[in-house]
Amino acid sequence: GESVGLHLPTLSVQEGDNSIINCAYSNSASDYFIWYKQESGKGPQFIIDIRSNMDKRQGQRVTVLLNKTVKHLSLQIAATQPGDSAVYFCAEIKNFGNEKLTFGTGTRLTIIP
Amino acid sequence: NAGVTQTPKFQVLKTGQSMTLQCAQDMNHNSMYWYRQDPGMGLRLIYYSASEGTTDKGEVPNGYNVSRLNKREFSLRLESAAPSQTSVYFCASRALWGTGNTIYFGEGSWLTVV
Repeated sequence: GESVGLHLPTLSVQEGDNSIINCAYSNSASDYFIWYKQESGKGPQFIIDIRSNMDKRQGQRVTVLLNKTVKHLSLQIAATQPGDSAVYFCAEIKNFGNEKLTFGTGTRLTIIP
Repeated sequence: NAGVTQTPKFQVLKTGQSMTLQCAQDMNHNSMYWYRQDPGMGLRLIYYSASEGTTDKGEVPNGYNVSRLNKREFSLRLESAAPSQTSVYFCASRALWGTGNTIYFGEGSWLTVV
């Protein structure tokens, strides 16, 4: 069936190192893939998105990679900081014009000082 | 610019009671959503409204009703609360398709049904 899932539920990274959060999806009909960050007690915050016809997109300290061959999405965070500690969700919009946004379970990223 | 505002932030209900969660956005967005998030899980879509005057069911609509009162406001009603509806509820909004995929979320409403 359709799913947007994450390989690992938790990830610990040393401050200053780079982190990679992975996500697998099974529906190749999605138009966009989006990464959100959710800090404790807050709503999700948009980080970056990537259109399905792209392989890579860069933002400030973040890069999203899309591998459609293996249906895999990743979020790379460079030079991690304590403020990066949060739960990260990948999400997908499956149908153009259909407003349903489907979220994965999430990965908790902990930055070790 | 407040973004997406939800009220109340915290609520305790008894089984069988009713209540309405209010949501308003000041970004002139067309689409609005209600999600619930259970511990250790992702967000699941309850209902959404692609434009004023329209609403559609999401993944988990049972036990809920919604009203898109106007372009700004989208409310979620629990007619007869059940313990299974204990969750954190998030309202969100988004501009028209093609103008970006940024979906803005409110800060959440923590609901406990006892």
